[in-house]
Formats: sequence, structure tokens, C-alpha cells
Amino acid sequence: TQLLEQSPQFLSIQEGENLTVYCNSSSVFSSLQWYRQEPGEGPVLLVTVVTGGEVKKLKRLTFQFGDARKDSSLHITAAQPGDTGLYLCAGEDETSGSRLTFGEGTQLTVNP
Amino acid sequence: GAGVSQSPSNKVTEKGKDVELRCDPISGHTALYWYRQSLGQGLEFLIYFQGNSAPDKSGLPSDRFSAERTGGSVSTLTIQRTQQEDSAVYLCASSRNLFRDYGYTFGSGTRLTVV
Repeated sequence: TQLLEQSPQFLSIQEGENLTVYCNSSSVFSSLQWYRQEPGEGPVLLVTVVTGGEVKKLKRLTFQFGDARKDSSLHITAAQPGDTGLYLCAGEDETSGSRLTFGEGTQLTVNP
Repeated sequence: GAGVSQSPSNKVTEKGKDVELRCDPISGHTALYWYRQSLGQGLEFLIYFQGNSAPDKSGLPSDRFSAERTGGSVSTLTIQRTQQEDSAVYLCASSRNLFRDYGYTFGSGTRLTVV
């Protein structure tokens, strides 16, 4: 079973600060997705990265896939209270079809 | 429907009882997944259905857990002789074939509490 480790596990910051969340594995993934989950709801897809070294931007969020496709990062610029939530990375490996392996998540709290 | 529907949203059951959790996926989605999530934690894979293929049951934690998907649509996850460690949020998701572009669409989950 491939494992995804996320860090930090918890992050509490003030509005306007920047932050980076990391997702690491010793295994290679065909693609990697990032989801955000709010209390009482299921996770919602933010982005999919497929190519090693790929960078995608979604407003103030920047996602990067490592060159070796073993790790990824999510950077948020000028965080806002609306960014609060559980951020989950999820990897697709070549042997498991569309079944995703999820990381443990990073719980982000942005204080006004 | 417009989204993935799960029922019930909350279930409290006594230890040793059986429970059934239902998932109604998005129409036309060929794949259906069950995961469970303990408080504030990541998602643990349970089982995955893809079209008419045999399901991937590799994540089921014991033989007390089973799931079926009827007619390629609605799925039921059954937990027999529930234990306290089964308490968690059970999430169902569905996806299209091009899941990389659209990802999983999750339901809001069933919160199961075994007392």
C-alpha cells in the first residue's frame, strides 16, 4: 500500500499570512489530487496534477507536483478565513485503477 | 440527482447490531467508492466498484464488512455485529471515467456511532 504523508498536521495562522502544506511519499504516483473538506461535508476537488514539475494556480492557491512525481505542495498566499478547512492530498498509482490513496490531511485555521 | 446522496446522515447503534448505509451516486458515474474517516483524520479506503468488474474489496477491515452495488447504481455498505471501533464517518464517492479531470464527487457522509 502506498502511503502519503502530509505536513504539518495542524496549522493556525492569521489572515493575510502565507503558508505551504506538503504531501510526501516514497512511491511514484501517476497523478495527484488536492481536496478541501469543511465540517459535515465530503471533500471537494481543488486540482489534479499529472506531469512531474507541473505547477497549477487557482486564484491564491499554487499547487506543484514534484519532478519525480513522489511529492506535492500547496501554497496559499494571503490566507483568508474562508480558506479554513481540512486539506487532503490523494494519489493515483498505476496498479489501482481510479482508486485514490489519501493522506492524513492538514487542518488549516485562518483567524481574522 | 445533482450530487451523491447518502443516508442516513447519522446513525447511532448498539454494539453487536447490524447496520446498512446507503449511497446513491451521480447518474452516469461508472465508479463508486466507500471510504471511512475517523475524527479529523484522512480517508481510509474500503471498497471500489468500477462498472461491471468485480469490486476491489482490498480495504475492508474484516469479514463483518460487505458492500454491494445494484444495477450499477445504488450501493449499500453493511456492517455486521458492529463494534465501537467501527464508529466513524463513512463517505461514499462516485466518479466518471475521466476522474483525473473531475475527481471524485463525495456525499456528505454517514456518521456512525456505536455505543
